Amino acid sequence: EAGVTQSPTHLIKTRGQQATLRCSPISGHTSVYWYQQALGLGLQFLLWYDEGEERNRGNFPPRFSGRQFPNYSSELNVNALELEDSALYLCASSGTGSHNEQFFGPGTRLTVL
Amino acid sequence: GENVEQHPSTLSVQEGDSAVIKCTYSDSASNYFPWYKQELGKRPQLIIDIRSNVGEKKDQRIAVTLNKTAKHFSLHITETQPEDSAVYFCAASKDSGYSTLTFGKGTMLLVSP
Repeated sequence: EAGVTQSPTHLIKTRGQQATLRCSPISGHTSVYWYQQALGLGLQFLLWYDEGEERNRGNFPPRFSGRQFPNYSSELNVNALELEDSALYLCASSGTGSHNEQFFGPGTRLTVL
Repeated sequence: GENVEQHPSTLSVQEGDSAVIKCTYSDSASNYFPWYKQELGKRPQLIIDIRSNVGEKKDQRIAVTLNKTAKHFSLHITETQPEDSAVYFCAASKDSGYSTLTFGKGTMLLVSP
Protein backbone atom coordinates (compact mmCIF):
# COMPACT_ATOMS: atom_id res chain seq x y z
CA GLU A 1 0.00 0.00 0.00
CA ALA A 2 1.40 3.39 -1.00
CA GLY A 3 1.85 5.97 1.73
CA VAL A 4 1.03 9.65 1.68
CA THR A 5 2.86 11.41 -1.12
CA GLN A 6 3.66 15.09 -1.53
CA SER A 7 5.02 17.18 -4.36
CA PRO A 8 7.25 18.91 -4.98
CA THR A 9 9.97 17.86 -2.56
CA HIS A 10 11.53 21.30 -2.60
CA LEU A 11 10.15 24.63 -3.73
CA ILE A 12 12.02 27.90 -3.95
CA LYS A 13 10.07 31.13 -4.38
CA THR A 14 10.65 34.81 -3.94
CA ARG A 15 8.76 37.11 -1.61
CA GLY A 16 5.33 38.05 -2.98
CA GLN A 17 4.97 35.01 -5.22
CA GLN A 18 2.45 32.20 -4.82
CA ALA A 19 3.23 28.60 -3.93
CA THR A 20 1.14 25.49 -4.59
CA LEU A 21 1.82 22.28 -2.71
CA ARG A 22 0.15 18.96 -3.42
CA CYS A 23 -0.73 15.91 -1.36
CA SER A 24 -2.13 12.48 -2.17
CA PRO A 25 -3.56 10.57 0.79
CA ILE A 26 -3.43 6.87 1.47
CA SER A 27 -6.06 5.03 -0.52
CA GLY A 28 -9.30 4.93 1.44
CA HIS A 29 -8.48 7.92 3.63
CA THR A 30 -10.89 10.81 3.32
CA SER A 31 -9.24 13.31 5.68
CA VAL A 32 -6.22 15.39 4.76
CA TYR A 33 -4.41 17.66 7.20
CA TRP A 34 -1.79 20.30 6.48
CA TYR A 35 0.87 21.35 8.99
CA GLN A 36 3.66 23.88 8.96
CA GLN A 37 6.89 22.78 10.64
CA ALA A 38 9.20 25.70 11.18
CA LEU A 39 12.40 25.30 13.14
CA GLY A 40 11.75 25.16 16.87
CA LEU A 41 7.99 25.57 16.55
CA GLY A 42 6.86 21.99 16.27
CA LEU A 43 3.90 21.09 14.11
CA GLN A 44 1.51 23.97 13.57
CA PHE A 45 -1.92 22.94 12.29
CA LEU A 46 -2.97 24.74 9.11
CA LEU A 47 -6.03 23.12 7.54
CA TRP A 48 -8.17 19.99 7.67
CA TYR A 49 -10.19 18.74 4.71
CA ASP A 50 -12.62 15.86 4.79
CA GLU A 51 -14.96 14.69 2.06
CA GLY A 52 -14.10 17.77 0.04
CA GLU A 53 -15.00 20.23 2.77
CA GLU A 54 -12.80 22.41 4.99
CA ARG A 55 -13.49 21.13 8.53
CA ASN A 56 -11.13 23.24 10.58
CA ARG A 57 -8.52 25.92 10.18
CA GLY A 58 -5.52 26.85 12.30
CA ASN A 59 -4.41 30.30 13.34
CA PHE A 60 -2.96 31.33 9.97
CA PRO A 61 -3.81 34.31 7.74
CA PRO A 62 -6.26 33.93 4.82
CA ARG A 63 -3.42 33.86 2.28
CA PHE A 64 -3.03 30.23 3.34
CA SER A 65 -5.80 28.32 1.60
CA GLY A 66 -6.43 25.01 -0.01
CA ARG A 67 -8.90 22.56 -1.35
CA GLN A 68 -9.64 18.85 -1.57
CA PHE A 69 -10.50 17.18 -4.82
CA PRO A 70 -13.08 14.41 -5.45
CA ASN A 71 -10.28 11.82 -5.34
CA TYR A 72 -9.37 13.17 -1.84
CA SER A 73 -6.04 14.59 -2.93
CA SER A 74 -5.41 18.09 -1.69
CA GLU A 75 -3.67 21.29 -2.59
CA LEU A 76 -2.27 23.97 -0.29
CA ASN A 77 -1.88 27.45 -1.72
CA VAL A 78 0.14 30.19 -0.10
CA ASN A 79 -0.29 33.64 -1.62
CA ALA A 80 1.85 36.73 -1.19
CA LEU A 81 4.74 34.71 0.21
CA GLU A 82 6.70 36.14 3.10
CA LEU A 83 10.18 35.19 4.28
CA GLU A 84 8.75 33.64 7.45
CA ASP A 85 6.70 31.21 5.36
CA SER A 86 9.91 29.26 4.80
CA ALA A 87 9.29 25.89 6.46
CA LEU A 88 8.60 22.23 5.92
CA TYR A 89 4.95 21.70 5.00
CA LEU A 90 3.65 18.31 6.01
CA CYS A 91 0.49 16.66 4.83
CA ALA A 92 -1.16 13.84 6.74
CA SER A 93 -4.13 11.63 6.00
CA SER A 94 -6.46 9.53 8.10
CA GLY A 95 -9.85 7.96 8.14
CA THR A 96 -12.55 10.45 9.06
CA GLY A 97 -12.10 11.99 12.50
CA SER A 98 -9.10 13.32 14.41
CA HIS A 99 -8.99 10.26 16.66
CA ASN A 100 -7.70 8.15 13.84
CA GLU A 101 -3.96 7.77 13.37
CA GLN A 102 -2.57 10.40 11.05
CA PHE A 103 -0.06 9.15 8.51
CA PHE A 104 2.36 11.81 7.36
CA GLY A 105 3.87 12.47 3.99
CA PRO A 106 7.55 13.33 3.47
CA GLY A 107 6.83 17.04 3.29
CA THR A 108 7.58 19.89 0.92
CA ARG A 109 10.46 22.18 1.88
CA LEU A 110 9.42 25.71 0.92
CA THR A 111 12.14 28.35 0.84
CA VAL A 112 11.17 31.99 0.33
CA LEU A 113 13.98 34.29 -0.75
CA GLY B 1 -8.48 26.39 22.16
CA GLU B 2 -6.24 23.59 23.31
CA ASN B 3 -2.68 24.35 24.39
CA VAL B 4 -0.08 21.62 24.80
CA GLU B 5 3.18 22.24 26.64
CA GLN B 6 6.04 19.75 26.28
CA HIS B 7 9.19 19.37 28.40
CA PRO B 8 12.09 19.12 28.15
CA SER B 9 12.98 20.57 24.76
CA THR B 10 16.14 18.48 24.65
CA LEU B 11 17.10 15.34 26.55
CA SER B 12 20.44 13.58 26.50
CA VAL B 13 20.80 10.10 28.00
CA GLN B 14 23.28 7.26 27.92
CA GLU B 15 22.38 4.07 26.11
CA GLY B 16 20.46 1.80 28.48
CA ASP B 17 19.09 4.62 30.60
CA SER B 18 15.42 5.55 30.74
CA ALA B 19 13.97 8.71 29.21
CA VAL B 20 10.82 10.54 30.25
CA ILE B 21 9.08 13.28 28.29
CA LYS B 22 6.18 15.17 29.85
CA CYS B 23 3.26 17.07 28.36
CA THR B 24 0.46 19.12 29.85
CA TYR B 25 -2.74 20.14 28.14
CA SER B 26 -5.29 22.82 28.88
CA ASP B 27 -8.64 21.52 27.61
CA SER B 28 -10.18 19.09 30.09
CA ALA B 29 -12.40 17.74 27.27
CA SER B 30 -9.36 16.33 25.41
CA ASN B 31 -9.46 12.56 25.42
CA TYR B 32 -6.99 11.33 22.81
CA PHE B 33 -3.22 11.64 23.28
CA PRO B 34 -0.86 10.31 20.60
CA TRP B 35 2.94 10.44 20.52
CA TYR B 36 4.87 10.83 17.27
CA LYS B 37 8.54 10.16 16.58
CA GLN B 38 10.36 12.10 13.89
CA GLU B 39 13.85 10.94 12.95
CA LEU B 40 16.16 13.43 11.28
CA GLY B 41 14.99 14.18 7.74
CA LYS B 42 12.04 11.82 7.99
CA ARG B 43 8.32 12.13 8.48
CA PRO B 44 6.62 11.91 11.91
CA GLN B 45 5.31 8.46 12.76
CA LEU B 46 2.87 7.41 15.47
CA ILE B 47 4.59 5.29 18.13
CA ILE B 48 1.90 5.00 20.79
CA ASP B 49 -1.37 6.62 21.78
CA ILE B 50 -3.68 6.60 24.77
CA ARG B 51 -7.31 7.45 25.26
CA SER B 52 -8.82 8.91 28.39
CA ASN B 53 -10.49 5.72 29.52
CA VAL B 54 -7.13 4.21 30.50
CA GLY B 55 -4.30 5.49 32.70
CA GLU B 56 -1.38 3.64 31.18
CA LYS B 57 -0.45 1.81 28.01
CA LYS B 58 2.70 -0.15 27.20
CA ASP B 59 4.29 -1.37 24.00
CA GLN B 60 7.61 -3.14 24.58
CA ARG B 61 10.08 -0.46 25.75
CA ILE B 62 7.60 2.39 25.39
CA ALA B 63 4.86 3.36 27.80
CA VAL B 64 2.53 6.32 28.14
CA THR B 65 0.79 7.41 31.34
CA LEU B 66 -2.14 9.77 31.62
CA ASN B 67 -3.33 11.79 34.61
CA LYS B 68 -6.61 13.44 33.61
CA THR B 69 -7.03 15.19 36.93
CA ALA B 70 -3.72 16.97 36.56
CA LYS B 71 -4.09 17.19 32.77
CA HIS B 72 -0.72 15.74 31.99
CA PHE B 73 0.64 12.71 30.19
CA SER B 74 4.11 11.30 29.81
CA LEU B 75 6.15 9.12 27.48
CA HIS B 76 8.54 6.65 29.08
CA ILE B 77 11.25 4.89 27.10
CA THR B 78 13.22 2.21 28.93
CA GLU B 79 16.57 0.69 27.94
CA THR B 80 17.19 3.44 25.42
CA GLN B 81 19.13 2.67 22.26
CA PRO B 82 20.92 5.00 19.81
CA GLU B 83 18.13 4.42 17.29
CA ASP B 84 15.72 6.04 19.75
CA SER B 85 17.44 9.35 18.98
CA ALA B 86 14.80 11.55 17.34
CA VAL B 87 12.36 14.36 18.01
CA TYR B 88 9.27 13.25 19.90
CA PHE B 89 5.98 15.13 19.72
CA CYS B 90 3.01 14.76 22.01
CA ALA B 91 -0.47 15.82 20.92
CA ALA B 92 -4.01 16.09 22.24
CA SER B 93 -7.48 16.24 20.77
CA LYS B 94 -11.09 15.78 21.80
CA ASP B 95 -13.75 13.71 20.14
CA SER B 96 -16.26 16.44 19.43
CA GLY B 97 -17.16 18.51 16.41
CA TYR B 98 -14.21 19.05 14.16
CA SER B 99 -11.50 19.00 16.80
CA THR B 100 -7.97 18.55 15.53
CA LEU B 101 -4.68 17.46 17.04
CA THR B 102 -2.72 20.12 18.91
CA PHE B 103 0.97 19.25 19.07
CA GLY B 104 3.60 20.13 21.61
CA LYS B 105 6.79 21.79 20.38
CA GLY B 106 8.78 18.58 20.51
CA THR B 107 11.61 17.02 22.50
CA MET B 108 14.92 16.19 20.87
CA LEU B 109 16.15 12.95 22.46
CA LEU B 110 19.83 12.11 22.04
CA VAL B 111 20.96 8.64 23.12
CA SER B 112 24.73 8.30 23.36
CA PRO B 113 26.36 4.87 22.95
